[in-house]
Order: sequence, then C-alpha cells, then structure tokens
Amino acid sequence: VLTQSPGTLSLSPGERATLSCRASESVSSGYVAWYQQKGGQAPRRLIFGISSRATGIPDRFSGSGSGTDFTLTISRLEPEDSGVYYCQFYGSLATFGQGTKVDLK
Amino acid sequence: EAQLVDSGGGLVQPGGSLTLSCAASGFTFSSHWMSWVRQAPGKGLEWVATIKKDAGEKYYVDSVKGRFTISRDNARNSLYLQMNSLRVEDTAVYYCARQYSGYDYWGQGTLVTVSS
Repeated sequence: VLTQSPGTLSLSPGERATLSCRASESVSSGYVAWYQQKGGQAPRRLIFGISSRATGIPDRFSGSGSGTDFTLTISRLEPEDSGVYYCQFYGSLATFGQGTKVDLK
Repeated sequence: EAQLVDSGGGLVQPGGSLTLSCAASGFTFSSHWMSWVRQAPGKGLEWVATIKKDAGEKYYVDSVKGRFTISRDNARNSLYLQMNSLRVEDTAVYYCARQYSGYDYWGQGTLVTVSS
C-alpha cells in the first residue's frame, strides 16, 4: 500500500511543493515512479526509478527517497503544474498512491 | 513515436461481459510488458493487470482475479482485456499502458459503465 500526503496542496507560483509517498513495506527494487494527471487526460510519467526524470520533464521536478519514504519535489511551481500527482510502485504487480492534488493560487 | 489507442468501452449490465482492445504502433510491441490501469469517476488510478512480453505470465489485482483476462497478440500489435461478470464497481475509464521504467506511454482511455 502506498499512502500519499498531503491530500491537497494549495500554493502560489514560484513556491516549492513537497509531495510525500509512504510505502507499507520497503521498496528494495527502487521501482518507484511519479505521474501527473490533468483533468480528463491520461497520466504523464514524470519520474521513474525513484529519481530519474522522464524525457522532456523540466528539471524543477525531482524525486528522492529510499526504503519506505519517497518524495516528489517541484522546486518552483509554474501555473501549468496544477493537477493530481500519483506515486506508483511498478513491477510484476503494481500499485498507485491515492494522489495529491496541487492547486495553484 | 509510440502510440496506444484504447477501444471497446461501453454500457453493460451487471453480470455482463466486455472486451477492451489497445492498438499499439510506433514501437516494437513484442518487446514490452503491457498493463491495464483503471480510474473510477472522480477517483484515483488503480492498476488492474500486467502481461509479460511473451504472454508467459500474467498478473492481476485481487478484485478482478477470476473475472478479467489480459491477453495480447504480438502479430497484431494488440493488447486485450476480457472482462466477465462485470460489477457496478468496475465502472471506470480503462487505460492501456506500456511498461518501461514505470508506465511511459498511455492510451487515451475507454469508458466502461456497468449499470442496469
């Protein structure tokens, strides 16, 4: 089980966003990814392997963590960063966190 | 550029069946694991099933085991999800996704509505 916090983040453009994802057991494989989803669209992969940015993803997005605790950081929020963010454990089996909604004021 | 196109969704009564399809193009389909992910209205993402590249092994979330079957036809570059004994709680947008360091390409989704 992956538990994300907070449920909603309300921040202003230029601020730093820190999204947390906690696993119920250690993810020794390192197979953790983060996705962004905007209304009515398919998710977009941002981060894989805990900290590797996907192709075309701006460097203001970064992933970190180990064991059971993982973090997605958006260093300087842009207006287009609003949406829902999901962490995922992937492999033969997979699971998603319940999501964190990022609102830009 | 890789592309996935989902199809086959629709309205079905509880207990009914439906088969979803995902047409792949722009990459070597037979070289990739593939998955289905669903999203109930207003809810988060839920992994449904994964199939290895040679279809030798398949994996399912507990809630669909025994009712859903994932399959693929590498000659036709296509992924399928056969859904039987559908329940109201299976109502969702279903996405196919290519598995490569996470899920790097997604279909546009197809809506399945289970209702009487």
